[in-house]
Amino acid sequence: AQSVSQHNHHVILSEAASLELGCNYSYGGTVNLFWYVQYPGQHLQLLLKYFSGDPLVKGIKGFEAEFIKSKFSFNLRKPSVQWSDTAEYFCAALSYNTDKLIFGTGTRLQVFP
Amino acid sequence: EAGVAQSPRYKIIEKRQSVAFWCNPISGHATLYWYQQILGQGPKLLIQFQNNGVVDDSQLPKDRFSAERLKGVDSTLKIQPAKLEDSAVYLCASSLDHYERPEQYFGPGTRLTVT
Repeated sequence: AQSVSQHNHHVILSEAASLELGCNYSYGGTVNLFWYVQYPGQHLQLLLKYFSGDPLVKGIKGFEAEFIKSKFSFNLRKPSVQWSDTAEYFCAALSYNTDKLIFGTGTRLQVFP
Repeated sequence: EAGVAQSPRYKIIEKRQSVAFWCNPISGHATLYWYQQILGQGPKLLIQFQNNGVVDDSQLPKDRFSAERLKGVDSTLKIQPAKLEDSAVYLCASSLDHYERPEQYFGPGTRLTVT
């Protein structure tokens, strides 16, 4: 079955540390890739997306992600996290084959001041 | 621009009772989705509408779940009768058009507890 894997379930960082959250998808063919963020008490918000073109995409709040087709990966990065980045992060993939948006299980990020 | 609206935000019912959730998508969005998010998991698609037609309901437990999107705008999701395992957050999302502009925007969700 097609799936999205997020290997980091819970990440704890201090402010100013660098962040990288892993995401791998199992689809072949054309995919659209997304990162969503859910801040405490808020709804899911789109952080960034990749459809085609430059594999390095920039999103809101200083986040970026790199699409590496050969590795089926779309890792999320931020060079210096802030306490306000504490949230749950979900990777999602939309395959042209299945036509469904499939989510990973999420990574809970805690940033301590 | 107003976001996706959902109500109620919380609902507690006993098993075998029925419940309904309402969603109003972003104005002009043709595609509407209902997801189920169980604690510790990512959202799972239940049903997808394009305007007022069902595009995908393959993961909807049709013996107890039903959904409609009359007039191609707002939508309701119903569970009848509810089971304990239906306890979850039910998310509604919309996109401008699933095939041209597939990025989805989510509502705040309805947290359902079945006791």
